[in-house]
Amino acid sequence: GENVEQHPSTLSVQEGDSAVIKCTYSDSASNYFPWYKQELGKGPQLIIDIRSNVGEKKDQRIAVTLNKTAKHFSLHITETQPEDSAVYFCAAWVGGGADGLTFGKGTHLIIQP
Amino acid sequence: SQTIHQWPATLVQPVGSPLSLECTVEGTSNPNLYWYRQAAGRGLQLLFYSIGIDQISSEVPQNLSASRPQDRQFILSSKKLLLSDSGFYLCAWSVSPVMNTEAFFGQGTRLTVV
Repeated sequence: GENVEQHPSTLSVQEGDSAVIKCTYSDSASNYFPWYKQELGKGPQLIIDIRSNVGEKKDQRIAVTLNKTAKHFSLHITETQPEDSAVYFCAAWVGGGADGLTFGKGTHLIIQP
Repeated sequence: SQTIHQWPATLVQPVGSPLSLECTVEGTSNPNLYWYRQAAGRGLQLLFYSIGIDQISSEVPQNLSASRPQDRQFILSSKKLLLSDSGFYLCAWSVSPVMNTEAFFGQGTRLTVV
């Protein structure tokens, strides 16, 4: 089955700086890669996603890149703000499987004022 | 629009007691439904998924069971809770038939077994 590795487990950056979270996946058939943000005590919320036919996608301060050859994808957050502090999860979905997404273990992003 | 409801939000149960967590989805038909567990604030472990009424697949053998008595209702149960069942339980749904789309999560249930 699919295996998703996520790094780092904790990331602390100064407000205004950029943050990068990286994930690798094992199944070359995976073709959908969402990123979720989870605030304390709440369920995860989708912030951006990318499909395997696209190399990069951007939405305001958030961008995701995908390297299919190397089987890794990354989340980039620019001009970080205090409200970006949360746990971020990457995930991968292998096409044709009803068993849902395989998640990374999460990154606790801390924005220092 | 589609919404997902999960309750209760918080639950404290003694060891050996039964458990029933309920999840319902509104605004869509025949969704794929999922139960995840998140331990120690990290990592989402898939417990069960369902592609239709009474069609449940288990990903991890454990003390828990799931049922789907109606199209948009998913229930997580246990006959006797263990201390190790403590955690944050999340229900989620996605579009069916199988497509590579996002999963929409409920707000979660914080279960503490004492």
